[in-house]
Amino acid sequence: DIQMTQSPSSLSASVGGRVTITCRASQSISIYLNWYQQKAGKAPKLLIYAASTLQSGVPSRFSGSGSGTDFTLSISSLQAEDFATYYCQQTYNTPPDTFGQGTKLEMK
Amino acid sequence: EVQLVESGGGLVQPGGSLRLSCAASGFTFSNYWMHWVRQAPGKGPVWVARINGDESSTSYADSVRGRFTISRDNAKNTLFLQVSSLRADDTAVYYCARSSNYRDTSAYYYDYWGQGTLVTVSS
Repeated sequence: DIQMTQSPSSLSASVGGRVTITCRASQSISIYLNWYQQKAGKAPKLLIYAASTLQSGVPSRFSGSGSGTDFTLSISSLQAEDFATYYCQQTYNTPPDTFGQGTKLEMK
Repeated sequence: EVQLVESGGGLVQPGGSLRLSCAASGFTFSNYWMHWVRQAPGKGPVWVARINGDESSTSYADSVRGRFTISRDNAKNTLFLQVSSLRADDTAVYYCARSSNYRDTSAYYYDYWGQGTLVTVSS
């Protein structure tokens, strides 16, 4: 199975700031990397698929990049509603698809 | 509007069984692969099982193979997960999710999720 490792596990930032979350795959997954946002008590929500394609309705302050084994999710001009936990997921080699352990973004 | 609504969770003793359901609406259910994903308290999501549109293909995580069975009723737009021989480490919120493929590849993403149903395994 492909292992997905996110860093950092948690970070704090201020409204209006910018953050970057990294996801590393244990082997090359081309561009088949998705990002989800999850708020407490809610289901994950798709933000970005295929490494850099923004899901319909997701604000443009979210962006993704990368290919192969290294990927990033960036959020610019942080809004209060962006403080949540973020997960990456690979679907290049399935089953199983696999998620990272998550990055909790907290308000400073 | 696409909606997925799970039901059937609850408190069950170790070794027990449950049947989880996921009622789908707002899309042509039979055209999509469907998945069950679970999330233990404080942990990340973990894929459990998947089924294709005509039920001809199913797959399971190693941790549940032989104990869980995924199925669907396309006439009733409903996805099921029969969970048996439950263990404490099966305790989780169980989500159903619809997947869509990226262009003409086999890679996919979960574009819609249900709200989840909690399964608690405890004596």
